[in-house]
Amino acid sequence: GENVEQHPSTLSVQEGDSAVIKCTYSDSASNYFPWYKQELGKGPQLIIDIRSNVGEKKDQRIAVTLNKTAKHFSLHITETQPEDSAVYFCAASGDSGAGSYQLTFGKGTKLSVIP
Amino acid sequence: DSGVTQTPKHLITATGQRVTLRCSPRSGDLSVYWYQQSLDQGLQFLIQYYNGEERAKGNILERFSAQQFPDLHSELNLSSLELGDSALYFCASSVARDSDWQYFGPGTRLTVL
Repeated sequence: GENVEQHPSTLSVQEGDSAVIKCTYSDSASNYFPWYKQELGKGPQLIIDIRSNVGEKKDQRIAVTLNKTAKHFSLHITETQPEDSAVYFCAASGDSGAGSYQLTFGKGTKLSVIP
Repeated sequence: DSGVTQTPKHLITATGQRVTLRCSPRSGDLSVYWYQQSLDQGLQFLIQYYNGEERAKGNILERFSAQQFPDLHSELNLSSLELGDSALYFCASSVARDSDWQYFGPGTRLTVL
């Protein structure tokens, strides 16, 4: 099955700096890569996603890049703000057999933005 | 607010007991997914239902079962509970049959004493 590794597990940045979180996946059949943000006491919230036919996607201060050859993808947050502080999860999905898809998550990165 | 609702918010029970967690998907969503989140295992996919039928199974124990009803709400049943079952249980929903754009509920925190 799919295995997703996520680094770093914790990340502290100064307000206004950039933050980068990296993930690698093992299954070359995976073709959908979402990122989730989880604030304390809440469920994960989808913030951006990318499909395998695209190398980069941007939404305001958030961008995701995908390198299919190396099987890794990254989340980039620019001009970080205190409200960006949360746990971020990457995930990968592809046909796991018989047309069934399921998300495999990384272990999460706790991002702290220091004012 | 994702539009996915889960009840109860908290549940405290004893080992050996059985509990039922409930999830109502976003209006119009046909797929419901259940996940378990624990400190050591992270977010793990348990099971998916699409329009009333089981679609995919992940790391779900035999003591656990789920179903999706005609009104599309879903229930996750956990039986013969063990201390290690203490975790956050999330439900997510999506329009599609497959995993794109899943919206998560606020979760149910289960504590087994």
